[in-house]
Amino acid sequence: EAGVAQSPRYKIIEKRQSVAFWCNPISGHATLYWYQQILGQGPKLLIQFQNNGVVDDSQLPKDRFSAERLKGVDSTLKIQPAKLEDSAVYLCASSPIMTLPLSYNEQFFGPGTRLTVL
Amino acid sequence: SQQGEEDPQALSIQEGENATMNCSYKTSINNLQWYRQNSGRGLVHLILIRSNEREKHSGRLRVTLDTSKKSSSLLITASRAADTASYFCATTSGSARQLTFGSGTQLTVLP
Repeated sequence: EAGVAQSPRYKIIEKRQSVAFWCNPISGHATLYWYQQILGQGPKLLIQFQNNGVVDDSQLPKDRFSAERLKGVDSTLKIQPAKLEDSAVYLCASSPIMTLPLSYNEQFFGPGTRLTVL
Repeated sequence: SQQGEEDPQALSIQEGENATMNCSYKTSINNLQWYRQNSGRGLVHLILIRSNEREKHSGRLRVTLDTSKKSSSLLITASRAADTASYFCATTSGSARQLTFGSGTQLTVLP
């Protein structure tokens, strides 16, 4: 089974530039997550999709970050304009749809995109 | 925001020794999971323990959960150099299915 794919793996931009990241989840996984992981910290959820709908984007800085999952499969995360503090690894994860609300959801992570903002 | 703290932040041991990492969290949880992250890679799910469980085993991994103290520990027995990685605890609570991660423990196993 193919895992979660992300591209690019690395990106270096200058502040105020724009950048986009792409994620292709595991086939059949309805739920897709974007996380931001700053060096030395644990991942922080930015946005969660269920199929092509947004479930939670409460921690997404909406003035500069946007994400979409138009066909309910792959997803893009965009930053426009980037700031120095956006330097981080951006992780995409996916999980199957849950039939029970309290069932655990093992998440499958991609390798991440390391963003450096100069 | 981070749900909890992990202790220690960094741990260095010799191959063959046991490694113990602790995780504390702040709110009531449905379950707690442990993930491993090798340098430059994504996270890999290791083990899950539900809030009504106290201990769980998987291979060389042993996880305990004390909900009265809002804490969990991960024990890796007979460590190997390949166990070198960062280890994160993550919790789910309420009706949410999102994971809230701790700050992680960097484990180094010396050959």
